[in-house]
Amino acid sequence: AQTVTQSQPEMSVQEAETVTLSCTYDTSESDYYLFWYKQPPSRQMILVIRQEAYKQQNATENRFSVNFQKAAKSFSLKISDSQLGDAAMYFCAYRSKGAQKLVFGQGTRLTINP
Amino acid sequence: EAGVTQFPSHSVIEKGQTVTLRCDPISGHDNLYWYRRVMGKEIKFLLHFVKESKQDESGMPNNRFLAERTGGTYSTLKVQPAELEDSGVYFCASSQGMDPNTEAFFGQGTRLTVV
Repeated sequence: AQTVTQSQPEMSVQEAETVTLSCTYDTSESDYYLFWYKQPPSRQMILVIRQEAYKQQNATENRFSVNFQKAAKSFSLKISDSQLGDAAMYFCAYRSKGAQKLVFGQGTRLTINP
Repeated sequence: EAGVTQFPSHSVIEKGQTVTLRCDPISGHDNLYWYRRVMGKEIKFLLHFVKESKQDESGMPNNRFLAERTGGTYSTLKVQPAELEDSGVYFCASSQGMDPNTEAFFGQGTRLTVV
C-alpha cells in the first residue's frame, strides 16, 4: 500500500519570503499522480498543484512550484513571496493511475508572519 | 456554482448516540468520496460512490458506519453507535467522470466530537 509522509507538522515564514514544505511517499508503482492541497481555517480544501509522475518537468502554478524527485520519492512544495493568505494546512496526496482515491499525508500547518 | 457542501459543520454527541453527516456534491458529479482525519493524523479514505453505487468501501472502519447515496445525489454517513475514536473531521469530495486528471473538489468538512 502507498504511504505519504509529511515530516513537518508546523512551519512558519515571514511574509514575502520563500518556504518549502516537504513530502515523501512510498510506492512500487511507476505511474501515478501527486498533489498538494491547501485548507485555510474553516474553509474548503482546494487543489494547489498537481504533478504527473511520468512528466519530468516540475509543475508550477504562479508562486507555487514543486520539486519532484521521482527516484528519491520526494515531492516538496515551494511557496515564493509568501502572502498572509497562504496561511493554511497543506496536505500532500498520492493517487495511483487508474484509481480514484487519494492517499494523504499528515499535513503541515503553515503560518505566515507579517 | 455551489461547491461541495457539508452539514453540519460541527457536531458534538455523547458516546453511544447516533450522528448523521450529510454531503451535497457539486451538481452533475457522479463521483462522491468520504474521507476522515483523526486529530493530528493523515486524512484517510473511507469510501467512494459512483452515482448511487458503492465503488470502493475499503476504508470504512467497521459496521458502525453506514454510507448511502440514494438517487445518486447527496450522500449521508451515519455513525451508530458513536465511539470516542470516531472523533475527527469528516471530509466529502466530488468529481466528474473517471478521468484520473479530473480534479476532486472538497467540502469544508464536518468536525465530529464524541464525548
